[in-house]
Amino acid sequence: QSVLTQPPSMSAAPGQKVTISCSGSISNIGNNYVSWYQQLPGTAPKLLIYDNNKRPSGIPDRFSGSKSGTSATLGITGLQTGDEADYYCGTWDSSLSAGVFGGGTKLTVL
Amino acid sequence: QVQLQESGPGLVKPSETLSLTCTVSGGSISSYYWSWIRQPAGKGLEWIGRIYSSGSTNYNPSLKSRVTMSVDTSKNQFSLKLSSVTAADTAVYYCARVRGYCNGDNCYSYFDSWGQGTLVTVSS
Repeated sequence: QSVLTQPPSMSAAPGQKVTISCSGSISNIGNNYVSWYQQLPGTAPKLLIYDNNKRPSGIPDRFSGSKSGTSATLGITGLQTGDEADYYCGTWDSSLSAGVFGGGTKLTVL
Repeated sequence: QVQLQESGPGLVKPSETLSLTCTVSGGSISSYYWSWIRQPAGKGLEWIGRIYSSGSTNYNPSLKSRVTMSVDTSKNQFSLKLSSVTAADTAVYYCARVRGYCNGDNCYSYFDSWGQGTLVTVSS
């Protein structure tokens, strides 16, 4: 059971937009920054969003992040087949003094 | 661009100790936190812990009694030891660099560079 809650799966058609939610509590998302990671099949996770809404160099602006209260959202516009992957949110939990992740969302682009 | 590479035995017997090393290249290990994260097959990511270049650590409460992390700045390496392993510890183990900062109990951090991962199987 993950500390952060994500939908297990989502699907959308190419070209469309999808939003992936990540729900937590005051001790994690509420008081800390959220990051998002993309994991393509058979590869290591890759940083997509950090500090709630910032994109590392090289990440297209089709990817966006936001946070409100104890929830965060990853948005992906102009979906491409290459976006099929597992997406994870992560943050720090101040009560646990530990890093925590969501259970991951498998995105299918069909 | 910093690169990380995990190394260690791919097979560990039950009740023994899993030992992995992460070698950092293309940058200094100093002045950063470094983490271990694992992923059982078909499952999500689990944070194991982090170590600062000075040696201070934080561990996942669920693993704390079995985890030891260390750092060797002269070799630009940090290591993970997980004792008394069982089949439930079978996973791909990743090392990662932590960016950001902490302010009191809160940490504004993320993992910006990851190793490719190494599969560790616990079996007799």
